[in-house]
Amino acid sequence: DTGVSQDPRHKITKRGQNVTFRCDPISEHNRLYWYRQTLGQGPEFLTYFQNEAQLEKSRLLSDRFSAERPKGSFSTLEIQRTEQGDSAMYLCASSLSGSSYEQYFGPGTRLTVT
Amino acid sequence: TQLLEQSPQFLSIQEGENLTVYCNSSSVFSSLQWYRQEPGEGPVLLVTVVTGGEVKKLKRLTFQFGDARKDSSLHITAAQPGDTGLYLCVYGGTSYGKLTFGQGTILTVHP
Repeated sequence: DTGVSQDPRHKITKRGQNVTFRCDPISEHNRLYWYRQTLGQGPEFLTYFQNEAQLEKSRLLSDRFSAERPKGSFSTLEIQRTEQGDSAMYLCASSLSGSSYEQYFGPGTRLTVT
Repeated sequence: TQLLEQSPQFLSIQEGENLTVYCNSSSVFSSLQWYRQEPGEGPVLLVTVVTGGEVKKLKRLTFQFGDARKDSSLHITAAQPGDTGLYLCVYGGTSYGKLTFGQGTILTVHP
């Protein structure tokens, strides 16, 4: 399977705990995106990487959120001191530079903060 | 306010019926896309429309881009239970590819 993969698929955590999600994009894709989706809504953009550089961050990405893509391949999204409002589906997508609007999404990580 | 307003928000129909989903905006777009998302999965690109007035067909799905490039529609003929999912109208016109999604239309097709 050469699609975008995300791990874990589901995460339940208690308020105040830190969580980290991983995304493995399609191998030749140099652009990687993180989105957040709440129930019944469309995804909202969080951040974007071109290779290892984080070039754009949404105002939705508070200082409790941090994302990395250290070698320009996989990416991690960490949420510190989780809050109940962080409960959502976190989606990762990747694309090639020349066709950035054609993004391939992973299955997402569903986070539940209790 | 949403950049892309989709209607209806929910649609529940019987197998074999036809349906249309609308995506409207006050902005003019260079292109619009439609994605479909099944429960527990990420969105999958269905089509990109680029030219005002353009009509694209994908089997039983027909996509149209408005003449003024402010709106789009998705028409499904003879819906099947496999068409069930969240249909998302999307704008991806930034230089780096940030996608802006409408709130989506949840379609349920009953056998």
